[in-house]
Amino acid sequence: DGGITQSPKYLFRKEGQNVTLSCEQNLNHDAMYWYRQDPGQGLRLIYYSQIVNDFQKGDIAEGYSVSREKKESFPLTVTSAQKNPTAFYLCASSTADTQYFGPGTRLTVL
Amino acid sequence: SQELEQSPQSLIVQEGKNLTINCTSSKTLYGLYWYKQKYGEGLIFLMMLQKGGEEKSHEKITAKLDEKKQQSSLHITASQPSHAGIYLCGADRRGDTGRRALTFGSGTRLQVQP
Repeated sequence: DGGITQSPKYLFRKEGQNVTLSCEQNLNHDAMYWYRQDPGQGLRLIYYSQIVNDFQKGDIAEGYSVSREKKESFPLTVTSAQKNPTAFYLCASSTADTQYFGPGTRLTVL
Repeated sequence: SQELEQSPQSLIVQEGKNLTINCTSSKTLYGLYWYKQKYGEGLIFLMMLQKGGEEKSHEKITAKLDEKKQQSSLHITASQPSHAGIYLCGADRRGDTGRRALTFGSGTRLQVQP
């Protein structure tokens, strides 16, 4: 089955710790994205990558970092510099016309 | 940057009733996407509209994009409990700095009462 996988589904972090969220796709898409969703709100763009070894900041990149070493993988690191990291994180990849989403990771900072 | 306004924010309907959700943009839409989300899950792609006046249907859901390409509506006919969830519209930001990410509305929460 082709699709986008995110792991873990739930993640708990202590304040001051960095944590990495995984995103893998086997759809052979060049472009990948990370969004953040807060309760009652739409999605906001964190980072995006249109090709391997290249990525760009989105609207709310502060406190986050990414890498794109392989076409299939686009991990997101939430650093201790992110002041309010508790949220639902969604990864996506796209064709020319359509953007597909993974199942999401819920991050909670304790 | 582009902003999308969705209305209503929430909607409760009885099973079998029709309903409409609206999505309005402050700028011309290059592409308008509709997604459905169950709580705590990822987004499921419904439809994408590009051309002014375009209309697409899938099962009991119809989406339209107006001629000016600044407003879209999502219409559900004879709603069922399976239609319950959060409906999100997203706009292609291709015209905004050339990137392909989407800008989203805040969503419409739909409940369907049996």
